[in-house]
Amino acid sequence: EVQLLESGGGLVQPGESLRLSCAASGFTFSPYAMSWVRQAPGKGLEWVSSISGSGSSTYYADSVKGRFTISRDNSKNTLILEMNTLRAEDTAIYYCAKDLRPASIFEGSCFDSWGQGILVTVS
Amino acid sequence: ELMMTQSPATLSVSLGGRATLSCRASQSVRNLAWYQHKPGQAPRLLIYDTITRATGVPARFGGSGSGTEFTLTISSLQSEDFAVYYCQEYDNWPPWTFGQGTKLEIK
Repeated sequence: EVQLLESGGGLVQPGESLRLSCAASGFTFSPYAMSWVRQAPGKGLEWVSSISGSGSSTYYADSVKGRFTISRDNSKNTLILEMNTLRAEDTAIYYCAKDLRPASIFEGSCFDSWGQGILVTVS
Repeated sequence: ELMMTQSPATLSVSLGGRATLSCRASQSVRNLAWYQHKPGQAPRLLIYDTITRATGVPARFGGSGSGTEFTLTISSLQSEDFAVYYCQEYDNWPPWTFGQGTKLEIK
């Protein structure tokens, strides 16, 4: 069974940093691109960032580009999101999500498994 | 930039009834997914590639459409089906674009 477990959330002040982790289990991690998706209070789902299976390709939403960095450690089956210069509008539940299909070359995909989410509050 | 517009924002349907949720893309897309999201839970993939049910999804969930108009149909609504539903396009990335959601509530 696929499991994705986020950690590292919490309350920080504007301008501060936070590092989110997502521990993956139940599947072979490295062939799958992974993503972060967030949901602000009372709002819908918003894609934040994605990374290819190898880690060589990364993508960011304009709202976080230059402030957030996505990475992965395939030896530890872990996805990371480094968040710097946090703003009040970054307050959200952050979900880690797995691509539907493995891919040797990064391709757009939907997300077939999601973590339970971790709350980040910037205030 | 591509936009996905869902309608209605809120849909009230009786238990056992049929729900039809719409998703419109601002330009033609090929690949569409639907997710179910309940408070405090992880989003759940229901439909991918417009029409294919994800593993374990009951047959009462059906996806259809093409181009810019897509539909999620839920027949014989069960109590566990009341949730927020999102469409997502995954053709024209980045970004990966979600609709704003349709809240399905019990009438």
